[in-house]
Amino acid sequence: DAGVIQSPRHEVTEMGQEVTLRCKPISGHNSLFWYRQTMMRGLELLIYFNNNVPIDDSGMPEDRFSAKMPNASFSTLKIQPSEPRDSAVYFCASSGHNSGNTIYFGEGSWLTVV
Amino acid sequence: AQSVTQPDIHITVSEGASLELRCNYSYGATPYLFWYVQSPGQGLQLLLKYFSGDTLVQGIKGFEAEFKRSQSSFNLRKPSVHWSDAAEYFCAVGQSGSARQLTFGSGTQLTVLP
Repeated sequence: DAGVIQSPRHEVTEMGQEVTLRCKPISGHNSLFWYRQTMMRGLELLIYFNNNVPIDDSGMPEDRFSAKMPNASFSTLKIQPSEPRDSAVYFCASSGHNSGNTIYFGEGSWLTVV
Repeated sequence: AQSVTQPDIHITVSEGASLELRCNYSYGATPYLFWYVQSPGQGLQLLLKYFSGDTLVQGIKGFEAEFKRSQSSFNLRKPSVHWSDAAEYFCAVGQSGSARQLTFGSGTQLTVLP
């Protein structure tokens, strides 16, 4: 089975540009998570979807961040406008009853904003 | 609120030596507990998990962990470390009844000496 697929794996962008990160969860999983990892703050949950509906977005840092899940097999995390402090690794993860509710992570999108 | 403490930021062991990584959690009910490993430039890979039952849990790559409710601990162990085990290790706690949202510890970086 394919794991969680994220794209792009690496992105370098200029401050002020829009960044869109993409995620395809594991087939059959009904929960999807976006995490951010930085040296200073470690792993932080940004937002969590269940059955395509955002359940908890309290971790989204500010209005510049938005996430959508238009269907069960696709989600996006958008940053507009991007700032240097957004530089981090962004992980998408998914879970479902068929995985015993264990969360499986993608390989991450490594974002650098210059 | 749930929390996880990994008291050791960095541990160095010699190849072939035994390993124990500490994890303490704070949670009001029976927790779901996980250990993940992250190699450089990679995502998080699940090593093992505890939901219920036997408090000694076996995982992949020869790792095991023991849940001790009285000590609120879930320490990770390996009897003989291999150079390929060098990575960062994260302990995480999830909500009982739904392991959908995880709170991660700050991680322990493992260095293996030849």
